[in-house]
Order: sequence, then C-alpha cells, then structure tokens
Amino acid sequence: DTAVSQTPKYLVTQMGNDKSIKCEQNLGHDTMYWYKQDSKKFLKIMFSYNNKELIINETVPNRFSPKSPDKAHLNLHINSLELGDSAVYFCASSHRGPRYNEQFFGPGTRLTVL
Amino acid sequence: TQLLEQSPQFLSIQEGENLTVYCNSSSVFSSLQWYRQEPGEGPVLLVTVVTGGEVKKLKRLTFQFGDARKDSSLHITAAQPGDTGLYLCAGDETGTASKLTFGTGTRLQVTL
Repeated sequence: DTAVSQTPKYLVTQMGNDKSIKCEQNLGHDTMYWYKQDSKKFLKIMFSYNNKELIINETVPNRFSPKSPDKAHLNLHINSLELGDSAVYFCASSHRGPRYNEQFFGPGTRLTVL
Repeated sequence: TQLLEQSPQFLSIQEGENLTVYCNSSSVFSSLQWYRQEPGEGPVLLVTVVTGGEVKKLKRLTFQFGDARKDSSLHITAAQPGDTGLYLCAGDETGTASKLTFGTGTRLQVTL
C-alpha cells in the first residue's frame, strides 16, 4: 500500500530531451507538491496544487510544467533538459489545513542529464 | 525567502552518545516540522510543533520549538545506528498556502 508513488525511480537522459515524471497518492489528500533536492541535499519547493489548481509556483524555468489531471495525480514534464536539471525530484501530498500541513513524500526520482 | 539554517551540518558519533541538532531562522513560523530522510528515500515526518516553547518527545528524540517560534532543536539520547540519516527541519510560513521552507539539513551517522 504505497501512499505516494513516483515513476520512474531513475531517469537518465541526454541534454535537450523532454521527459516526464508521474506521481500518484492514495491518501485522499487535496494538495500535492513537487520538490527538487540538489546534490547538497537542499530540498526546495517547485510547485503546489490544491484540488487541481496551481497555488504555489516558485521561481522555476518555464521548461518545467506541472499537470494535475485529478486530486490524486500530479505529473511533471520537463522540456529541453539541461545539465543543471540533474537532481532528485520528490512528489509530496498533504491536507491543506487551517494551521499546519504535514507532508508525505514519495520515494523520489533521480534524474541524470548527460 | 525565509532561510532555515541547521547546525551542525555533519555529525558522526558513536552508539550511546547524546546529540543536539539546531534549526534557526530570523523569521517566525506558524509551525515547524522535523523530517528524517534515509538514502534513496523521501523524507518522513517525525513531529510537528506549533506552540512557542512546546516540547514533544518521541521515544529517545526530544523536539523543542523556541518561545518566539523562530528556532527549534532536536535532541537524541543514547543514539543508535538506526538513527543514522539526514534530519531536516521545515517551517510553515505564517499566512501562506501550505508552503514549507526546508532547512539546510544535518547528516547524522551513528557507528557501533
């Protein structure tokens, strides 16, 4: 019973290619996120969707485009991949509450751009 | 952008020792969370603290939220090899929509 799942686990590709990462959660949460973790393990939010609506869009190149077909899914498409895009990408989900949210993370997708 | 600085950055200790990890910011957070991340996996929530001065215990782990809600600490008593991992604090920005700012991380290694 995986709560937050991502595919693929590993992605190795050439510079300039386009790739997608998929995320699904079965926790019934209404909010989903994409994070990027760099080589120094710094975790930074990229996007957040609440009920399929984009609510957080950090300073991310427009080559990155999230899509949420429904509350349980949030995909990330990346165009024209660059060397600097190499990182681990984490999907997460939570309930959007009035005071605080506790986020549940997927296992991550390690993207390597050659 | 609010910044959460963690110290120390790296910590290597022997089993049975005690340790404290600090998470500091100049900004106020409505709540603060601690996560542990193991290699090849995503972060897993350990605890959430929401009230200034709050102390929470999770077995050998003690978490404290600063009175001003700008800082937090994690104390581990009698560390075990199973405590090895990357510890991340994360602050929930007051008045924003479900946005967590993560700390710089503390990598802990506990050896026999």
